[in-house]
Amino acid sequence: DQQVKQNSPSLSVQEGRISILNCDYTNSMFDYFLWYKKYPAEGPTFLISISSIKDKNEDGRFTVFLNKSAKHLSLHIVPSQPGDSAVYFCAARRVNAGGTSYGKLTFGQGTILTVHP
Amino acid sequence: NAGVTQTPKFRILKIGQSMTLQCTQDMNHNYMYWYRQDPGMGLKLIYYSVGAGITDKGEVPNGYNVSRSTTEDFPLRLELAAPSQTSVYFCASSPHQSGSSYNEQFFGPGTRLTVL
Repeated sequence: DQQVKQNSPSLSVQEGRISILNCDYTNSMFDYFLWYKKYPAEGPTFLISISSIKDKNEDGRFTVFLNKSAKHLSLHIVPSQPGDSAVYFCAARRVNAGGTSYGKLTFGQGTILTVHP
Repeated sequence: NAGVTQTPKFRILKIGQSMTLQCTQDMNHNYMYWYRQDPGMGLKLIYYSVGAGITDKGEVPNGYNVSRSTTEDFPLRLELAAPSQTSVYFCASSPHQSGSSYNEQFFGPGTRLTVL
C-alpha cells in the first residue's frame, strides 16, 4: 500500500524555467510533508517542509504547495538551475492518535529532475 | 561536526552470513533511524530509536535487529543475509520531534549491500 506516491519517475526542464514536482498521499494522519533532495552516492538532504495546516511555504527558489482536499502537494523550483539536477523525494511524517510524533517518515518513489543548460 | 557517518560504504555478503552496519552521529540527537532504499523505490523505515536503550520497529523490520546503547551509535544487524536484503541502507538522526514543528532528519551517505 503506497501511502505517498510520486507518479512521475523523471522530469526534464530547461535552465531558467520552472520545475514542478508532484506528490499524492492517502493517509490523513500525516502532519508534516517534506521534500528531500538526493545526489548519487550521497544521503538525502532536507529541502523544505510544510505543516498540514498550511497551504504554502516558500524558501528562496523553492515553494511547496499543499492541497489537503485533494491530498496533493507540489514543489516548485524557480528558476531551475543545472545544480538542481537530482532525485527529489516527497515524504510525509506520521503522528499517532495522541498527537505524538517520532519523526517516522513515509517516502515516495522519487522523481529524477534533470535541468539542461 | 562530521554529522552522520556510516561504515562500511560497500559490502558483498553470501547468503546466510551476518554483518553489522555501523552508524554514528556527533550532533547529540535523540532520534535515530534506519532506512533501506531498493532500486526505483523510496526509502522504507526499518527501525528507529528515540533515545539510548529505546528502539522500535518501522515498516520493514523482518531480518534485522538494532541496539542503542549510547546516544551516538545505532548499529543495524543482519543475522542471516538473504538476496532480498540487497539494498542501500541509510542511517539518519534528528533532534526531538514534537507535534508542533518538524526537525529535519540528517542522513548518512549510505551503505550499499549486495547479498549473493
